[in-house]
Formats: sequence, structure tokens, C-alpha cells
Amino acid sequence: GAGVSQSPSNKVTEKGKDVELRCDPISGHTALYWYRQSLGQGLEFLIYFQGNSAPDKSGLPSDRFSAERTGGSVSTLTIQRTQQEDSAVYLCASSLVAGGVDEQYFGPGTRLTVT
Amino acid sequence: GQSLEQPSEVTAVEGAIVQINCTYQTSGFYGLSWYQQHDGGAPTFLSYNALDGLEETGRFSSFLSRSDSYGYLLLQELQMKDSASYFCAVTGGSARQLTFGSGTQLTVLP
Repeated sequence: GAGVSQSPSNKVTEKGKDVELRCDPISGHTALYWYRQSLGQGLEFLIYFQGNSAPDKSGLPSDRFSAERTGGSVSTLTIQRTQQEDSAVYLCASSLVAGGVDEQYFGPGTRLTVT
Repeated sequence: GQSLEQPSEVTAVEGAIVQINCTYQTSGFYGLSWYQQHDGGAPTFLSYNALDGLEETGRFSSFLSRSDSYGYLLLQELQMKDSASYFCAVTGGSARQLTFGSGTQLTVLP
């Protein structure tokens, strides 16, 4: 079946502009996660959604970052007034349940470059 | 919060065995996972340990000691295609959040 998809695959934007990154999780997966990965670094947790519960936003680095998940499926990560330090690969993952007990399936990521 | 430590680089030859260690600090520990990531690719799940002991899946095995806050990934009969980054990740905290280590770059030499 289809895996996690993300769009766009690459995004180049000017400093100060807003960007939206999209994630389509695997159908039926109730948990959805966003991570950020800088070059040669590990994955930095940003936010996760579990069903209809309030999202865990504890990893969002600033109030310029926000995310929503509509209808318990598609999610959008929005970065406002982008800065050069926002340049990274943004990865989305989904799993059947939250908490890491079930494996997370990752999308291919969106490579964001802020010039 | 959660923190993990793993070596940044490991090098081995084809056919050899390599062990990648991971130590962690967390509150409310639920389990330790391992993920593989090839350059430019997405992380893929390898294993999950919730209880002490060894879990074997083909050439890969993963071990956990909760009392030592320690685990390792064992890769046997190394192949060139095993060259990748390997991340340990711990599920812990009140939100059962998955926290990743900074990764170990494994290079397999012919």
C-alpha cells in the first residue's frame, strides 16, 4: 500500500517568507509526527498528533512554527517569517498508535532551504 | 527530558560483526528503538525493545538492559548495503515521546 508522502520534496524560499509543508500519513494511522533533521544530525522532534487529542507541541522551536491536522489525516506544518536556521529536512512519520510502541513510518521529507 | 548517547562513527569490513551502543537518560521509559537511514533517504524501523534481553531479526539483533539504561544494535555478516546511519530512539516522558540519538555513521569497507 501507499506509504507516507510529503510535498514538496524541495522548497527554496527567501528569508522572511512563510512556507507550508504537507504530509499525507498512511491510511488508518492515528498518530502523526513531525521532525526536523539538520545536515549530519539526528532527528529533532517538533510535534505529534494522536487521533482527536490536542497535539503535543513541546518540540516546536518557536512561535513561528505551527501545525494542524485536518480530519485526522493530512497535516500541514507552517513556518512563518522563515530564517536561515530553519533550513533543514522536515520529516513526517505516522504510526498506528502513539508512543513509539508501534514502529513509525517516515515519509521522504521536504528539504527546506532559506536563502 | 530525554537524552541519548551513541558513537558518531563506526567502520568495519564486509562480513564482520559490529555493535553500536546506546546509553540513555529518560523519565518514564517505555522502550528503545533502532532506525536505519541511508544518505538522502528516510529513516526505516529496525527493531524495538521494551523488555530486557536480545531481540533477533535476521542479521540484526538488538539488546536492552533497563537497569543500565543501555542498549545496542548488533549487525552480523556485514554487507556494503549496511553502510548507513543508525539511530537509537527512546520512548519516554509523560507524553511517550520518541527522542532520537544523534546517529552513528556506519561505513562498511570491502
